Amino acid sequence: DAGVIQSPRHEVTEMGQEVTLRCKPISGHNSLFWYRQTMMRGLELLIYFNNNVPIDDSGMPEDRFSAKMPNASFSTLKIQPSEPRDSAVYFCASSSRALNTEAFFGQGTRLTVV
Amino acid sequence: GESVGLHLPTLSVQEGDNSIINCAYSNSASDYFIWYKQESGKGPQFIIDIRSNMDKRQGQRVTVLLNKTVKHLSLQIAATQPGDSAVYFCAENRGQGAQKLVFGQGTRLTINP
Repeated sequence: DAGVIQSPRHEVTEMGQEVTLRCKPISGHNSLFWYRQTMMRGLELLIYFNNNVPIDDSGMPEDRFSAKMPNASFSTLKIQPSEPRDSAVYFCASSSRALNTEAFFGQGTRLTVV
Repeated sequence: GESVGLHLPTLSVQEGDNSIINCAYSNSASDYFIWYKQESGKGPQFIIDIRSNMDKRQGQRVTVLLNKTVKHLSLQIAATQPGDSAVYFCAENRGQGAQKLVFGQGTRLTINP
């Protein structure tokens, strides 16, 4: 398996623009997580899904952030409109609840909003 | 103004020595704990995990100890190598019936030659 795949790896956008981050979890995993990592706040859980259903989105910072998981093999995290303070590395991770395994992380998307 | 970043605890050890990284967790109901290693420019990578019904678990060159009384977790790395240099995070599962991993702030481990 190729692991968790995130795209793009790097994104530079202007303030006010819409940004969409993409994630393909490991095949067979039914839990998916979005994290944000910054120097100021460390690694924060934004939202997680179980069987494509959002379970806990209490970590989503504002209404500008939204996440979807239309099927078991794809998820998006959208920021609209983006702001400079959204600059961070965004990680997607997946795990198998049935196997009760650890979460496997993707390589992350480094977002810079200028 | 000057930006203030998260001040990561740091640990420097000589190559070949053993290292111990500590972590305090907050939720006494957490039932599953994981140690992750993060190298520069990469995502966190699983090292070892432990469930709350255990107090020790060993892997290859790594041992995790869990003290539920004081809500403390430690990662011991034996015979450290240059490739062990990274930031190490402990994570606790705060979910009920599903994983909700909450990460600690991390410790930067530097291996000196």
